Amino acid sequence: DSGVTQTPKHLITATGQRVTLRCSPRSGDLSVYWYQQSLDQGLQFLIHYYNGEERAKGNILERFSAQQFPDLHSELNLSSLELGDSALYFCASSVVSRWGTGELFFGEGSRLTVL
Amino acid sequence: GDSVTQMEGPVTLSEEAFLTINCTYTATGYPSLFWYVQYPGEGLQLLLKATKADDKGSNKGFEATYRKETTSFHLEKGSVQVSDSAVYFCALLNAGNNRKLIWGLGTSLAVNP
Repeated sequence: DSGVTQTPKHLITATGQRVTLRCSPRSGDLSVYWYQQSLDQGLQFLIHYYNGEERAKGNILERFSAQQFPDLHSELNLSSLELGDSALYFCASSVVSRWGTGELFFGEGSRLTVL
Repeated sequence: GDSVTQMEGPVTLSEEAFLTINCTYTATGYPSLFWYVQYPGEGLQLLLKATKADDKGSNKGFEATYRKETTSFHLEKGSVQVSDSAVYFCALLNAGNNRKLIWGLGTSLAVNP
């Protein structure tokens, strides 16, 4: 158990819909990262938050947005969903470090299926 | 920019065979290097790391040595088990002010009894 909790574990929805994925980091971790994993694209970094502030953006579509709340949990919002958005979405947290140490703790992921 | 290249999978081995998964990198400065493992149905977890040249990371019988002269961080295990079946990711943490993890594409390992 990594200590990172993601909900929901599985989600099936239709094209054009909007979903919200939730992540609770390990106790004390201020950094939260979101990743997308698909068979054809591998592991893609989406976004990094540190203590409520956006620190870095990766390959995140404009239809996607995220935020980190004062209690440090984070949400990834995916809107106008397309078939290609079907993937496993991981949240990871890291030890208290503004710039990151590379040691990430991953949740079990949220599997999104868009039909 | 910085990048990580892993050998393509899938790799299929028999139990007790020797494992090598190649990883090479391109980076400026002195990155830290990592191997993560993803077991079926789970998230990734850190397997081992090395933060400077000639460092050897080791865990669960796996080893990798940070070779700056060959820009490599190959993962090895002397005798694999069925329970080692997983996807292995090599990654680097680039130096400088914009520190972020750069990931390889992952190498799938299947170990047969």
